[in-house]
Amino acid sequence: GIQVEQSPPDLILQEGANSTLRCNFSDSVNNLQWFHQNPWGQLINLFYIPSGTKQNGRLSATTVATERYSLLYISSSQTTDSGVYFCAVELGETSGSRLTFGEGTQLTVNP
Amino acid sequence: EAQVTQNPRYLITVTGKKLTVTCSQNMNHEYMSWYRQDPGLGLRQIYYSMNVEVTDKGDVPEGYKVSRKEKRNFPLILESPSPNQTSLYFCASSLTGPETQYFGPGTRLLVL
Repeated sequence: GIQVEQSPPDLILQEGANSTLRCNFSDSVNNLQWFHQNPWGQLINLFYIPSGTKQNGRLSATTVATERYSLLYISSSQTTDSGVYFCAVELGETSGSRLTFGEGTQLTVNP
Repeated sequence: EAQVTQNPRYLITVTGKKLTVTCSQNMNHEYMSWYRQDPGLGLRQIYYSMNVEVTDKGDVPEGYKVSRKEKRNFPLILESPSPNQTSLYFCASSLTGPETQYFGPGTRLLVL
């Protein structure tokens, strides 16, 4: 099956710093999404981004489908950004609408 | 308020005792899905449903059943739970496909 790899696995920042999280995938995909799980376990969809670049406040994401990677940028990080960031890919049409997740990047933002 | 609800939130059970975790959404979404989350393994999709009476397997369907008899509900059934099904389970829904999913609060299951 498809491999989804995220890096780094762990990241510790001081408040105000910028960071880049990476998601590599091993096969062609229909779409790619980024999620955030806060320290209380709540999961929130951040971006649905099969290709190109999107921005939402201090967060932005870029997917280069032809090179099979996506990047999530966090600027001016805040303590509320802490948690785990997952990327997930939806395979091609022959695989229906299944989602395969990476193992996540654990982000800690210290005050 | 638009939301996805799961019940129960916490459950301790014993091997072999059938259980059902309910999931309900009030957003008239067509797509619903179940995931399990385990340390070191991230999130894995169990089953998903594109619409009423349409369900399909995710990456880890073994040991689980689902049904989608009405749009708002998507229960997860463990006919004979085993300790390896101890996990944190999330239900999610979205309008038409797996994009922009709304997640429930999670159900923490312990099978002894």
